[in-house]
Amino acid sequence: GAGVSQSPSNKVTEKGKDVELRCDPISGHTALYWYRQSLGQGLEFLIYFQGNSAPDKSGLPSDRFSAERTGGSVSTLTIQRTQQEDSAVYLCASSLQGGREAETQYFGPGTRLLVL
Amino acid sequence: TQLLEQSPQFLSIQEGENLTVYCNSSSVFSSLQWYRQEPGEGPVLLVTVVTGGEVKKLKRLTFQFGDARKDSSLHITAAQPGDTGLYLCAGYQGAQKLVFGQGTRLTINP
Repeated sequence: GAGVSQSPSNKVTEKGKDVELRCDPISGHTALYWYRQSLGQGLEFLIYFQGNSAPDKSGLPSDRFSAERTGGSVSTLTIQRTQQEDSAVYLCASSLQGGREAETQYFGPGTRLLVL
Repeated sequence: TQLLEQSPQFLSIQEGENLTVYCNSSSVFSSLQWYRQEPGEGPVLLVTVVTGGEVKKLKRLTFQFGDARKDSSLHITAAQPGDTGLYLCAGYQGAQKLVFGQGTRLTINP
């Protein structure tokens, strides 16, 4: 079976433009997570979706960031009016159920965003 | 301030040597996880430790969870070039929010 896929793999944009990043989770996984990884650093939690529940948006750094998950599957992370400090790798992960500690999260390869 | 502090942040050693990476926190975690990440890829889970004092072995890798469940270590015996990568520890805050250390970038030189 396919793993988590993300597109695009790389994105270069100009400051002030909007960008959309896509994540396709593993089929059957009800939980989906977005993280941000600055150059060579650990991961920073952004947002979590579980089934039809309201998402946990507590990690979004500003109101320029938003995410949605349509039909409980594909998710899109949108960054409006991008800034240079938004440059990072954006990673998506999915897990079978979510809401359980120690559950394995499966990560996609990430989208490398560069804001000029 | 990082909730999980890893040390060292960078480590470069020769093939065949042993090494230990540490993950420390002032907070108690019900479990800690270790991931390895290679360039251009997402992190891959290596192990989850859930019991204070627990030791888990994965071939040449030994993982330990501190008795107080505030720290963990990863020990690699006879390191190989294939062990090169970014090693991340992580723990759950609540049931869905995974927090990560800043990582240890390990380079094994042939």
